[in-house]
Amino acid sequence: DAGVIQSPRHEVTEMGQEVTLRCKPISGHNSLFWYRQTMMRGLELLIYFNNNVPIDDSGMPEDRFSAKMPNASFSTLKIQPSEPRDSAVYFCASSPGRSSYNEQFFGPGTRLTVL
Amino acid sequence: AQSVSQHNHHVILSEAASLELGCNYSYGGTVNLFWYVQYPGQHLQLLLKYFSGDPLVKGIKGFEAEFIKSKFSFNLRKPSVQWSDTAEYFCAVNALGNAGNMLTFGGGTRLMVKP
Repeated sequence: DAGVIQSPRHEVTEMGQEVTLRCKPISGHNSLFWYRQTMMRGLELLIYFNNNVPIDDSGMPEDRFSAKMPNASFSTLKIQPSEPRDSAVYFCASSPGRSSYNEQFFGPGTRLTVL
Repeated sequence: AQSVSQHNHHVILSEAASLELGCNYSYGGTVNLFWYVQYPGQHLQLLLKYFSGDPLVKGIKGFEAEFIKSKFSFNLRKPSVQWSDTAEYFCAVNALGNAGNMLTFGGGTRLMVKP
């Protein structure tokens, strides 16, 4: 199993540009999570999908952030327009289902730098 | 809402020293508990988890954790650390009754093991 796949691994962009991060969950997993990790705020949950439907997006910082999951094998996190304070590592994780007994499997992350 | 506290932000140990990392959570109901590890430059990986039964849980690489319900704690231990244990360690809680298997993470503890 290839695990959770994220692309790109690194992204450097200028303030004001649109950024799209991509995630392919583990095949058969029904739950997908987007996290942001910074030194100051640690690991924060941004949004959580189950069966492609957003369940909780209360962690999305503001309207500049949006996430979609058009099918079970693909999700995107978009930032438009990007700002320097969005610089962080963004992790995608997937889980076999909504049961609380299921662990989350993390991808390698996308390191985003906004200049 | 539940919260997770890891009071030790940075820990420095010599090889062969014993390790104990604190984790406390605030939630009065039933919880599932996890410890994840993030090695430098890598993604989060599950170390161990507690759902029910024996409160002393054994994980990979010689780690163990003890759930003490009366203290709302789930401390991570290892009798003898190695240089390769240098990493950041995250405690996470799933409060049963929330929307599926969302996790709340602690702020993390950075462990440095000196050779």
